[in-house]
Amino acid sequence: GAVVSQHPSRVICKSGTSVKIECRSLDFQATTMFWYRQFPKQSLMLMATSNEGSKATYEQGVEKDKFLINHASLTLSTLTVTSAHPEDSSFYICSATYGGTSSYEQYFGPGTRLTVT
Amino acid sequence: LAKTTQPISMDSYEGQEVNITCSHNNIATNDYITWYQQFPSQGPRFIIQGYKTKVTNEVASLFIPADRKSSTLSLPRVSLSDTAVYYCLVGEASNTGKLIFGQGTTLQVKP
Repeated sequence: GAVVSQHPSRVICKSGTSVKIECRSLDFQATTMFWYRQFPKQSLMLMATSNEGSKATYEQGVEKDKFLINHASLTLSTLTVTSAHPEDSSFYICSATYGGTSSYEQYFGPGTRLTVT
Repeated sequence: LAKTTQPISMDSYEGQEVNITCSHNNIATNDYITWYQQFPSQGPRFIIQGYKTKVTNEVASLFIPADRKSSTLSLPRVSLSDTAVYYCLVGEASNTGKLIFGQGTTLQVKP
């Protein structure tokens, strides 16, 4: 159980265009979803935290107008990279949590590889 | 959020037990200790979580001393497929608690 999916798994876009990445909790309702970015050979960097029906909370240094997060339902959160540039090329990973258990585990998606040309 | 410190890399051989120690001197009362495993181009995978003493599951054991300022992940009899990056995280015990990833430990298992 507790499966998180992401779509697409990889995407190539041209500089200046926008790209939307979906994160879905397949078999549970996610109270909170998180978005991370990971550059090659580096650790995951938390970008933002989102709760269903409310605005996302962005980490310091992350531009909220560039990385639009929408958490419209308890099973879906989307990250839109607006006006993408080559420096936005990265591995984007989402995770989700839910209540009702004694552990506080984040379930991670498989990641989305974004390449901006 | 408590900062964690782990060795950058470790080498081991198949069949050996591997222990990875993580320091978290500023751990707070409400913080849990969680370990994740990540393979290249994949999302992290939960390994084990604990608050104090010892926790064991089917893949690993987690040892936490009384002062909770460090923890040790123990992987019994590793195989080549255990080659991965292992992250130690410390975070508040809530479903909205965010996790801050440190550098992780790259474990290389050799035949």
